[in-house]
Amino acid sequence: GAGVSQSPSNKVTEKGKDVELRCDPISGHTALYWYRQSLGQGLEFLIYFQGNSAPDKSGLPSDRFSAERTGGSVSTLTIQRTQQEDSAVYLCASSEGLGLAGGGNEQFFGPGTRLTVL
Amino acid sequence: QKEVEQDPGPLSVPEGAIVSLNCTYSNSAFQYFMWYRQYSRKGPELLMYTYSSGNKEDGRFTAQVDKSSKYISLFIRDSQPSDSATYLCAMSARPGAGNMLTFGGGTRLMVKP
Repeated sequence: GAGVSQSPSNKVTEKGKDVELRCDPISGHTALYWYRQSLGQGLEFLIYFQGNSAPDKSGLPSDRFSAERTGGSVSTLTIQRTQQEDSAVYLCASSEGLGLAGGGNEQFFGPGTRLTVL
Repeated sequence: QKEVEQDPGPLSVPEGAIVSLNCTYSNSAFQYFMWYRQYSRKGPELLMYTYSSGNKEDGRFTAQVDKSSKYISLFIRDSQPSDSATYLCAMSARPGAGNMLTFGGGTRLMVKP
């Protein structure tokens, strides 16, 4: 299918290790978003890309978190020196971009990467 | 206090029942309101998108927004076992790309055959 894909689907790591999560957005979608979903919690916004630039990094919880996007397509979210509280499902979404006044800018989500930090 | 509150459930109903899911919010700047459905181990998928106050109907689903009360609802008629999922409300102050969505915590719905 042509939906948003994420890899890996599951990642188990030891505390203190670095991890890299990947997102492949829908082809042609210029906007890309990263969210985090902890057990029983709603989605927490992390970062937004328009093209390769990130105008809004306000949601990144600490300087251990970083993200980049290259070629206006694939994005990677990197977590350095992972902590147990980083355990969550990391969701990526993409949308067409500028959208229309009044809405019409649906965000399509990938299946997520389930990160477990031991 | 969270900006968007949603009863986590679980809400268990028999097949065919009318389901009412609700969210309250505190930010009066929110104008765009969405409902997402999330099956287990899947990403959320958009069900309904409404702007400002009023009702919107799509098949068995009706979304209601009452901005004066800062309260939104999703009604599901003739509920089916396949409707069993977690329902997330989300809202935004602006349309278009980069509009940060603020989500509720989700309500888990179980429709029993």
